Amino acid sequence: DAGVTQSPTHLIKTRGQQVTLRCSPKSGHDTVSWYQQALGQGPQFIFQYYEEEERQRGNFPDRFSGHQFPNYSSELNVNALLLGDSALYLCASSLAWGGYRHTEAFFGQGTRLTVV
Amino acid sequence: AQTVTQSQPEMSVQEAETVTLSCTYDTSESDYYLFWYKQPPSRQMILVIRQEAYKQQNATENRFSVNFQKAAKSFSLKISDSQLGDAAMYFCAYRSAKRRLNSGYALNFGKGTSLLVTP
Repeated sequence: DAGVTQSPTHLIKTRGQQVTLRCSPKSGHDTVSWYQQALGQGPQFIFQYYEEEERQRGNFPDRFSGHQFPNYSSELNVNALLLGDSALYLCASSLAWGGYRHTEAFFGQGTRLTVV
Repeated sequence: AQTVTQSQPEMSVQEAETVTLSCTYDTSESDYYLFWYKQPPSRQMILVIRQEAYKQQNATENRFSVNFQKAAKSFSLKISDSQLGDAAMYFCAYRSAKRRLNSGYALNFGKGTSLLVTP
């Protein structure tokens, strides 16, 4: 059973550019959440997708957008990159409905984004 | 908004000894979940243990146990018989039990505690 997979693992971009990160959820999961983890900090919630719609959003600007596909995979897009966007981006998948254990979040290994 | 505070940036423990990591949180909700996650150098966040706020009994998973004090809003993690493989960043996280219609949840994380294990 494949867990949560993210691609790419590392990425270097220039200020002002745009980037797309990808996530495939754990088999059977229908909800994908994205988190930003700056160096030395805990993960910060960006947004969550379910049924191809953004359902919840954290305190992030509109430069951060996403998409969920019919197969539940998801993309995170960041426009007009800033130096401060350099971070580890984590994807987590879960099941929206069901008993408590079904909502446990499983995380991928993240994408390390460096903006220069 | 719920906040999670981990006041120990770094802790050290000798192999086979016991260590306790602290976590406090702030919430006005009565029904919620608390978690401890481990993040080794591989970066993947791994769930260590969970606690449901409505359960008075402290959760235990093998060498890992918690001390959940709901009134004090405290949720500490005790690691017994520490092993070299326990060395990692440990994050305390909060999740509301309330769901919006057709949505899942969002985790609020603390800043983490780096655990060093010495031979």
